[in-house]
Amino acid sequence: GNSVTQMEGPVTLSEEAFLTINCTYTATGYPSLFWYVQYPGEGLQLLLKATKADDKGSNKGFEATYRKETTSFHLEKGSVQVSDSAVYFCALKQGGSEKLVFGKGTKLTVNP
Amino acid sequence: NAGVMQNPRHLVRRRGQEARLRCSPMKGHSHVYWYRQLPEEGLKFMVYLQKENIIDESGMPKERFSAEFPKEGPSILRIQQVVRGDSAAYFCASSPGPGNQPQHFGDGTRLSIL
Repeated sequence: GNSVTQMEGPVTLSEEAFLTINCTYTATGYPSLFWYVQYPGEGLQLLLKATKADDKGSNKGFEATYRKETTSFHLEKGSVQVSDSAVYFCALKQGGSEKLVFGKGTKLTVNP
Repeated sequence: NAGVMQNPRHLVRRRGQEARLRCSPMKGHSHVYWYRQLPEEGLKFMVYLQKENIIDESGMPKERFSAEFPKEGPSILRIQQVVRGDSAAYFCASSPGPGNQPQHFGDGTRLSIL
């Protein structure tokens, strides 16, 4: 079945450091790919998405590129801020289905 | 424009009681999704509903769990005879339609079973 694997956390960085959170997926066909962010005590917010191979999603300085050849959708940010501290979830949605399949999440802590 | 509203935010029940979780979708959204998040886990899909119809319930446990989305009023996720293993955060999401429409999430209901 469809699945998403994220790098295990927690990840701790200093402010202005470079961030990479790895995400790989297993799916039939060509799913849409998403990154969601969850701040403490809140629901998930869509951070960015990509719907086909080689698409790059970007938002708030975060980027991720849909790589079909490596079945990956790694999240990157060039310079993190304390306010980026949160849990990040990679997810996919298979064509013909409305259910999102999530990874286990990666907790990011950014220290000043 | 209000987002997805879930209530209550926190719910405490004793084993054997019933839990009712409510979700009001964003204005203009007629598609609702329920997900469950166990501690240290990602979200797991439970059920997808449109007004008065269950479209996909492949993630719902076979017993004790049910969901509805009536013509009027919020969507309800109902858990009968709760057990300790039902303790989790339950999130509702809504979208205006299927396909590439993004799902917008509420802040969740945190259910604790004593």
